[in-house]
Amino acid sequence: SQKIEQNSEALNIQEGKTATLTCNYTNYSPAYLQWYRQDPGRGPVFLLLIRENEKEKRKERLKVTFDTTLKQSLFHITASQPADSATYLCALEPNDMRFGAGTRLTVKP
Amino acid sequence: EAQVTQNPRYLITVTGKKLTVTCSQNMNHEYMSWYRQDPGLGLRQIYYSMNVEVTDKGDVPEGYKVSRKEKRNFPLILESPSPNQTSLYFCASSLVGPGDTQYFGPGTRLTVL
Repeated sequence: SQKIEQNSEALNIQEGKTATLTCNYTNYSPAYLQWYRQDPGRGPVFLLLIRENEKEKRKERLKVTFDTTLKQSLFHITASQPADSATYLCALEPNDMRFGAGTRLTVKP
Repeated sequence: EAQVTQNPRYLITVTGKKLTVTCSQNMNHEYMSWYRQDPGLGLRQIYYSMNVEVTDKGDVPEGYKVSRKEKRNFPLILESPSPNQTSLYFCASSLVGPGDTQYFGPGTRLTVL
C-alpha cells in the first residue's frame, strides 16, 4: 500500500541547533516533493519544492534533500529559533498531492 | 491581498442538516481542492477541480459534494452530515495544478453532533 511517513510526531531541540525532519514514502514515484509549515489553527504555508532530478534545494536557513533511491526527503533547519516551532508537512505528487501526518517541531530557548 | 477565504470558520451542527462551506480565491487560480485534517491522519484530499466545471474525487469523497461554476469559488457541500465528518477543513488553490505552490485558506472547524 502507499504510505508517507514522517519520522516522528514530535521533535524537540535546543535553539541554535539544526533540526532534521524525515519524510519516507512507499509505493509512490513522485515527480516532486513539497514541504509546508503549519502553525496551530492555521492553514499550511508552502516552504520548498524539490524535483526528482534535484538532490538538494536551499532557501535561507532551510535545506531539503530528495533521494529517490531511498524514497526519502530530509528537511533541515539550521540555526533554529523558537519562531521555527510549528508542524512541518511533506507532500508528494502522484496525480494529486498526498500529505504526511506532519512532525511537530519545538525549539526551546 | 492574494488569499483564499473560507466561511464559516467555525460551525457546530446536527446530524443530517445540510450545510455548505464556501471557498473563494482571488488569484485567478485554475486548481482548487478541499482537504480534511484529523489528528494522526494528516491532510486528506476530499475533492479537487482542475478548472471550471471539472471536478474529481480525492482520497475521501464519500459524504461530500462540490461544484465549480466559477473559477474563483469552490463550495463544499455536506448533504447529510454525520459525526464522523467532524474535522478541520481546508480549501486550497494553485495556479495550474497540484504540483504548483498551494495556497491554503484559514480552515473551517466543523463539529457534527
